[in-house]
Amino acid sequence: QKEVEQDPGPLSVPEGAIVSLNCTYSNSAFQYFMWYRQYSRKGPELLMYTYSSGNKEDGRFTAQVDKSSKYISLFIRDSQPSDSATYLCAMSHTGTASKLTFGTGTRLQVTL
Amino acid sequence: KAGVTQTPRYLIKTRGQQVTLSCSPISGHRSVSWYQQTPGQGLQFLFEYFSETQRNKGNFPGRFSGRQFSNSRSEMNVSTLELGDSALYLCASSLVAVSGSGYEQYFGPGTRLTVT
Repeated sequence: QKEVEQDPGPLSVPEGAIVSLNCTYSNSAFQYFMWYRQYSRKGPELLMYTYSSGNKEDGRFTAQVDKSSKYISLFIRDSQPSDSATYLCAMSHTGTASKLTFGTGTRLQVTL
Repeated sequence: KAGVTQTPRYLIKTRGQQVTLSCSPISGHRSVSWYQQTPGQGLQFLFEYFSETQRNKGNFPGRFSGRQFSNSRSEMNVSTLELGDSALYLCASSLVAVSGSGYEQYFGPGTRLTVT
C-alpha cells in the first residue's frame, strides 16, 4: 500500500462546477501538506500549502486537512476550462520537511 | 522574481552514458530538491541539498548523485544510464528560513531525459 493514495480520475466536470479532490495517507507523522497543479509537459505549480490541520483559502481554492482521518482535500469553486490539469497532493513530516511524498495525481477536465 | 530554471530542457542519451542536469533556484532559496517523474511511479524524491550538503536522500541507486554550489545552484548526475532512467527530472527550491518555516517547494519546468 502506498503512503499517499489519490484517485487518478479522470474527473470531468462542467464549467462553473465545484470540484473536490482528495488524498488519504497512512503516515501520521506528516505535518506539511501541499497541492500542486501540473499542466501537460510542465513542472508542478504550487497552489496551496498547509501546516498541520485546518482550512486555508486562496481565491477559488480551499484546502482542508483532517489529520484525525488522515485525509486532505482541495476544493475549486467556479471551475474554469483553464483548471484542466493534473492535481497532485504532496506531504512531508517535520524531520524531513523537504522530502515530499506525492500522490499519483488526479486528472481534471473542465468542459464548456 | 525569476522562478526555478533547469537546463537543458530536453536530452537524449544512449545506455551506458552519463548525464549532468543543472538547476538554478529562486533567488534567496537555500534548499534544492530533485525528483524523478515517470508515468508508472509518479513523482519520486531523489535527494535534497542545503548549504552545499546533502541533507535527505530517497531510495535511488548510487548512480544518481548531486551537488550544490555556494550560490545554491545544483547539479544532478546520473552515471551508466539505463533505459528505465528515461523520465522528467524536476528540481524544486525552497526558502527554509532560519525560523524553520518556508518549506513549501517551487518546481522548475524539468529536464526530459530519454535514454535509447
